[in-house]
Amino acid sequence: GAVVSQHPSWVICKSGTSVKIECRSLDFQATTMFWYRQFPKQSLMLMATSNEGSKATYEQGVEKDKFLINHASLTLSTLTVTSAHPEDSSFYICSARDLTGSYEQYFGPGTRLTVT
Amino acid sequence: AQSVAQPEDQVNVAEGNPLTVKCTYSVSGNPYLFWYVQYPNRGLQFLLKYITGDNLVKGSYGFEAEFNKSQTSFHLKKPSALVSDSALYFCAVRDQGYDMRFGAGTRLTVKP
Repeated sequence: GAVVSQHPSWVICKSGTSVKIECRSLDFQATTMFWYRQFPKQSLMLMATSNEGSKATYEQGVEKDKFLINHASLTLSTLTVTSAHPEDSSFYICSARDLTGSYEQYFGPGTRLTVT
Repeated sequence: AQSVAQPEDQVNVAEGNPLTVKCTYSVSGNPYLFWYVQYPNRGLQFLLKYITGDNLVKGSYGFEAEFNKSQTSFHLKKPSALVSDSALYFCAVRDQGYDMRFGAGTRLTVKP
C-alpha cells in the first residue's frame, strides 16, 4: 500500500527556535497533503491543507506565520514551527492523497514535538 | 458542514466477546466514511471505508462496519475481540469537499 513517511519521528527543541518536519509520499504522488495536530488523548485537528505549488489553506485559528507549510513537490511537504513555545508541544501527523483520487488518505507515523 | 461523533470515550470488552464502537455522522451529501486505529505514539492505520455499495464493509484485522443511512451511523464491529485490539479508534467522514474530519476517538480496552 501507499506509504507516507515523516522525519523526524521525534524532536526536542528549545523555546524560541524553529523546527522543520518533513512529510514524504514514498510510492505515489500527492497533489494534496494535510497537516494535523493531536494533543494527548484527543482527536486529530486539521491545521492546514497544502496543494503542490500553491499556498496552503489554514484552518480557522491556526497561525499561518507560525506554522509555515511548503508543498514544493508532489512527494514532499514540510511544516516549520517557528519560534516554538512549550504550548506547541504536540503530536503532528501529515497525510497525503494521491493523484488518482482514491478515497483514502494515507497517514504518516507522526512527529512528537517537545518544546522546552 | 461535515461532522462525525463518537459518543463513547471508552469501550471495555472481554477477550472473545463481540465489540462495537459507535459512530454517527452528518454531511450534506453522500458520505465517505472511514475507520482508523491508532496505537500509542503512532500514526493512524486504515481499517476500512465506505464509499458506495454494500452497507456492510469488511476491513483489516477482522473488523467490519455497517453503514446505516437512516440512522446516519457507521458503527465498527468485530465478532471476537482480541487483547491486541486495544487501541484508540477514530471514525472519519469526508463529504463532497476536500478534507477529512475525525471524531473524538474511542479508547477500546480488551481485557483477557
